[in-house]
Amino acid sequence: GENVEQHPSTLSVQEGDSAVIKCTYSDSASNYFPWYKQELGKGPQLIIDIRSNVGEKKDQRIAVTLNKTAKHFSLHITETQPEDSAVYFCAASGSDRGSTLGRLYFGRGTQLTVWP
Amino acid sequence: EAQVTQNPRYLITVTGKKLTVTCSQNMNHEYMSWYRQDPGLGLRQIYYSMNVEVTDKGDVPEGYKVSRKEKRNFPLILESPSPNQTSLYFCASSLATDNEQFFGPGTRLTVL
Repeated sequence: GENVEQHPSTLSVQEGDSAVIKCTYSDSASNYFPWYKQELGKGPQLIIDIRSNVGEKKDQRIAVTLNKTAKHFSLHITETQPEDSAVYFCAASGSDRGSTLGRLYFGRGTQLTVWP
Repeated sequence: EAQVTQNPRYLITVTGKKLTVTCSQNMNHEYMSWYRQDPGLGLRQIYYSMNVEVTDKGDVPEGYKVSRKEKRNFPLILESPSPNQTSLYFCASSLATDNEQFFGPGTRLTVL
């Protein structure tokens, strides 16, 4: 099956600076890469996703880049604000060996803290 | 309002006492999934389901059962809970694997 690794596990930045979180995946057949944000006491929520036929996608201060050759994708947050403080998860689609069912594989998460 | 609901939100129980955590979605989603979240380990998938009567094991299925008799419901069953199942549990649903997953609010389970 797929293996998704996420770095760093914690990240502290000053308000206004940029933050970058990186993930690698192992299955070259993976074709869908979402990013989720989890605020304290809540379930994760999708903030942006990218498919394998696209190299970059932007949504206001958030962008995601995908390098299929190197099997890695990154989340970029510019002009960070205190409300960006949360846990961020990357994920990749795939399927387990011997299974015909698809599923998402999540990274272990990054705790982002933005200091005012 | 489109949502995923879980019940109960909080539960304290004792070892060996069977329990069920319910999950329901009102979005007519095919795909549903259960995760557990533990500090430092992120979201680990327990079971997932692609449609009614179609389920498969995730990364940590031991000690859990699921059923998908109706499209909207996907209960998680702990036949004989143990303290190592103390965790925060999330149910999620989506149209398909490669679509946005909508997460429920979570169930905080403590097994004494």
